[in-house]
Amino acid sequence: QLQLEQSGPGQVRPSETLSLTCRVSGGSVSSASYYWAWIRQAPGKGLEWIATIHHTGATQYSPSLRSRVMLSVDTSKHQFTLKLTSVRATDTATYFCAGYQLPTSFRPDSWGQGTLVTVSS
Amino acid sequence: SYELTQPSSVSVSPGQTARITCSGAVLAQKYGRWLQQKPGQAPVLIIFKDDERPSDISERFSGSSSGTTVTLTISGAQAEDEADYYCYSATDNNLVFGGGTKLTVL
Repeated sequence: QLQLEQSGPGQVRPSETLSLTCRVSGGSVSSASYYWAWIRQAPGKGLEWIATIHHTGATQYSPSLRSRVMLSVDTSKHQFTLKLTSVRATDTATYFCAGYQLPTSFRPDSWGQGTLVTVSS
Repeated sequence: SYELTQPSSVSVSPGQTARITCSGAVLAQKYGRWLQQKPGQAPVLIIFKDDERPSDISERFSGSSSGTTVTLTISGAQAEDEADYYCYSATDNNLVFGGGTKLTVL
């Protein structure tokens, strides 16, 4: 079963860059049918999609975050990474990584354990 | 705002059946998924591909689809089912989410 394990700091200073990594095991980050996403959840709020990447490097970004977000995938390390620049207090949230299949789901989506990131000086 | 529409809250008596709906144009062409999230925990996938259940999820959870609506049904509701439930779908360009439904078992 596909497993996703997140890593990264729990606190980032305002105006700095948030960086989180999601390591994939039990499957391949290079799988043609899998897409890798980041989602966040502000305290007490719902889920917000941030961006998605395919192992080919193709990316899709949320219009509201496009100017500050960059995704990358490292197939040799079986992981993908989120960078969010110029963070502010409103970026405080729990960040989740996820993997899902397109165009159809032969296997259940997998989610990471979540990382609470607080933007504070 | 969210591209998928869910009721903000649903209540059910223990042992009864709860149904949570999720509506959106994307669901006419893409599969729906359902997440269960308990306080302080990561979401857990309970339904994918509209009506398929991961092997470790209770048979009390089932999903269905009709047109632009997917429905999560919880049979024989238990206190442990009290949680937030989110629907979502994957398109070629993004993930779209519902705003979440708080299920109260009382």
